Amino acid sequence: NAGVTQTPKFQVLKTGQSMTLQCAQDMNHEYMSWYRQDPGMGLRLIHYSVGAGITDQGEVPNGYNVSRSTTEDFPLRLLSAAPSQTSVYFCASSPGGRSTDTQYFGPGTRLTVL
Amino acid sequence: ILNVEQSPQSLHVQEGDSTNFTCSFPSSNFYALHWYRWETAKSPEALFVMTLNGDEKKKGRISATLNTKEGYSYLYIKGSQPEDSATYLCAFWFDQGGKLIFGQGTELSVKP
Repeated sequence: NAGVTQTPKFQVLKTGQSMTLQCAQDMNHEYMSWYRQDPGMGLRLIHYSVGAGITDQGEVPNGYNVSRSTTEDFPLRLLSAAPSQTSVYFCASSPGGRSTDTQYFGPGTRLTVL
Repeated sequence: ILNVEQSPQSLHVQEGDSTNFTCSFPSSNFYALHWYRWETAKSPEALFVMTLNGDEKKKGRISATLNTKEGYSYLYIKGSQPEDSATYLCAFWFDQGGKLIFGQGTELSVKP
């Protein structure tokens, strides 16, 4: 099993550009989520999904869109990149939407917006 | 307001010191509290999931306690080693919608 994979590992964008961060898992996990990591702020939840076709907003959803058409994939779209979106983005998955399920994290995507 | 607070923000100790840090969370509607360990240039990895008031979990030299009535959890490291250097994150499960909200982390540095 590859676990949770993210592409790309690094990306540089100009202000106003759009792009999609890819996340995939091969563990048949129902629950997937996106976090961003900024210095001194831990991990902040952007969007999450409890299963295919279902998504919901986290703490900091503005400027991001998600969709979940399959169990395996959970892409994160930046609609019009801003310098404030410079961050490291982590995708995570867990077996189901249970409070006790451990989250498995991908390796992260480091995004710089100029 | 989804409020999960960790203290201190950073900690510098000598090898062999024992240390502890705190995670504070809402004391109402408790479901679960998670602890994760996050080494530099790696991804966070789960340490413990705690669900019951008074719970105590242990993994090697690392242990954690839980007080759901007052809304806090302690993480203890006995005899810190340089390989314990990492950021330790706690996360609270908010059942409204079902989401895991993280604190800002405690960055531990252990000097040989």
